[in-house]
Amino acid sequence: QKEVEQNSGPLSVPEGAIASLNCTYSDRGSQSFFWYRQYSGKSPELIMFIYSNGDKEDGRFTAQLNKASQYVSLLIRDSQPSDSATYLCAVNIEYSGGGADGLTFGKGTHLIIQP
Amino acid sequence: ETGVTQTPRHLVMGMTNKKSLKCEQHLGHNAMYWYKQSAKKPLELMFVYNFKEQTENNSVPSRFSPECPNSSHLFLHLHTLQPEDSALYLCASSVRDRSTYEQYFGPGTRLTVT
Repeated sequence: QKEVEQNSGPLSVPEGAIASLNCTYSDRGSQSFFWYRQYSGKSPELIMFIYSNGDKEDGRFTAQLNKASQYVSLLIRDSQPSDSATYLCAVNIEYSGGGADGLTFGKGTHLIIQP
Repeated sequence: ETGVTQTPRHLVMGMTNKKSLKCEQHLGHNAMYWYKQSAKKPLELMFVYNFKEQTENNSVPSRFSPECPNSSHLFLHLHTLQPEDSALYLCASSVRDRSTYEQYFGPGTRLTVT
């Protein structure tokens, strides 16, 4: 059973600080990793994806991947109250036979940015 | 909006009813997905379609029946549901390409089974 683990939180961070969200996954064969942001009552919104070991930066967001440790993280710099949401970590599923590419999701981390 | 639309946005149905959820993507993608999001549980993959062909049924009960008439439209037909099927049903789409896997979600249909 492929699993994705996240601390459910809530994670409380002061405005302007760096928020650090972590995720571990069980399947060593996973190749693609995603971070989605979900506001209450809304659908998930893709904010970052990373395929290679190392860091990937996009504006205030940095995704970090360590395949050896099966660990992926998301850093949010200069946190704003509007960043308050649940952050979902997702990992691709590669089915045998070259078929579909579904995603396995973690339960999400609830992030609260305190003004 | 991400280019993926879903209707209806809210649905209340009895256990003996038959209803359908509709999803349409305007992104030129060729793979579509149904996910279920229940309270306190992670998003669960239900069905995957690549180039209109179903390639995965993630052990979903037969009371859920998907249909994909073309690469832009996806339906989920519902019949004789149970109260525990109440959840947010999300449609997603992506490009079917081994180098990219990004999936984009629609707004979801909030389903309540009474």
